[in-house]
Amino acid sequence: AQTVTQSQPEMSVQEAETVTLSCTYDTSESDYYLFWYKQPPSRQMILVIRQEAYKQQNATENRFSVNFQKAAKSFSLKISDSQLGDAAMYFCAGSRSYNTDKLIFGTGTRLQVFP
Amino acid sequence: NAGVTQTPKFQVLKTGQSMTLQCAQDMNHEYMSWYRQDPGMGLRLIHYSVGAGITDQGEVPNGYNVSRSTTEDFPLRLLSAAPSQTSVYFCASSFQGANGYTFGSGTRLTVV
Repeated sequence: AQTVTQSQPEMSVQEAETVTLSCTYDTSESDYYLFWYKQPPSRQMILVIRQEAYKQQNATENRFSVNFQKAAKSFSLKISDSQLGDAAMYFCAGSRSYNTDKLIFGTGTRLQVFP
Repeated sequence: NAGVTQTPKFQVLKTGQSMTLQCAQDMNHEYMSWYRQDPGMGLRLIHYSVGAGITDQGEVPNGYNVSRSTTEDFPLRLLSAAPSQTSVYFCASSFQGANGYTFGSGTRLTVV
């Protein structure tokens, strides 16, 4: 079984500052994929970044980067130079790598960005 | 535009009514899924499919049926609506899952 845990229901950050959202992914699989999705007020689910568990290098997409600690089952999202448009719900999700038929989500973190 | 199309965007049902939420994708994705989103609970998987003719249950399948007769379409049927099915429903598709899923814009369903 896979479980995804996001322990921060809400976070806030000042514009231009850096914020880190936490996630833990517990699975018995040795290989898997991890994702962060953004859901703005429009309700649309937007893929922000993905990480393959077997890769040592942490993924980066512009201002978004992850800190993946496999042994600790930790998969945090760092947002640098926060912008007002980053305000949204952020969901962590994971799927096994050999048969990625199911994507399991955490409960989400609401990020507020203050000017 | 390529993507996942869900209809309707909003729906109000009376308890006991049935209805079908439509989902279509034009990206030739094999994998399709239905989720429901409730406050504080994230997205929970209802049913999923890995190809035409193949479906399986997710985390919360009770009260819902699916079928997958074509690669493009994956409708979700509510058999007898209950207030507990009030939620936002998302359909999603993926080529093989590794690159993540593409989501539709969601259906807000209210059962009174």
